[in-house]
Amino acid sequence: GIQVEQSPPDLILQEGANSTLRCNFSDSVNNLQWFHQNPWGQLINLFYIPSGTKQNGRLSATTVATERYSLLYISSSQTTDSGVYFCAVEANSNYQLIWGAGTKLIIKP
Amino acid sequence: KAGVTQTPRYLIKTRGQQVTLSCSPISGHRSVSWYQQTPGQGLQFLFEYFSETQRNKGNFPGRFSGRQFSNSRSEMNVSTLELGDSALYLCASSRNTDTEAFFGQGTRLTVV
Repeated sequence: GIQVEQSPPDLILQEGANSTLRCNFSDSVNNLQWFHQNPWGQLINLFYIPSGTKQNGRLSATTVATERYSLLYISSSQTTDSGVYFCAVEANSNYQLIWGAGTKLIIKP
Repeated sequence: KAGVTQTPRYLIKTRGQQVTLSCSPISGHRSVSWYQQTPGQGLQFLFEYFSETQRNKGNFPGRFSGRQFSNSRSEMNVSTLELGDSALYLCASSRNTDTEAFFGQGTRLTVV
């Protein structure tokens, strides 16, 4: 089955710094989403981005489907950005999301 | 517009008991999926329902089952609970599975 790898696994930054999180996938996908999991466990939608580039405030994402990777950019980090960021993909229209292991981001004040 | 609602939020059960979790999707969404999240295994797919039909099932034992009602609400049931079933159970809804999925707050199950 399709493999999803996220890097780095952990990232510690000072408030105000910028960061880039990466998601590699091993096969073509028809759905790719980025999520932020807050400390209470809820998965918050960031981007639905099977291809192309999207921006939402300080966050942006780019998926290069032909090269099988996606990037999540966080600019001017705030302490509230801390948490785990997940990339999830769906392939072959089999009705399930396959998840990466996540990137744990800690923003220090 | 109300989001995905999962009940209960927290649950403590004893080994051998059974449990039923509920998920109400966003109005108009017909696809409901369930995922289990544990520290060791990460997020794993349990099953997906669309218009009361299970379209896919993950690699879990038969103790894990689910269903979807005509109003798209879904339930999952775990029978003969084991300690290893302790996890965060997350429900997602979407219009269809190739569209954006939205998650509920989850049910945290502890088996003692």
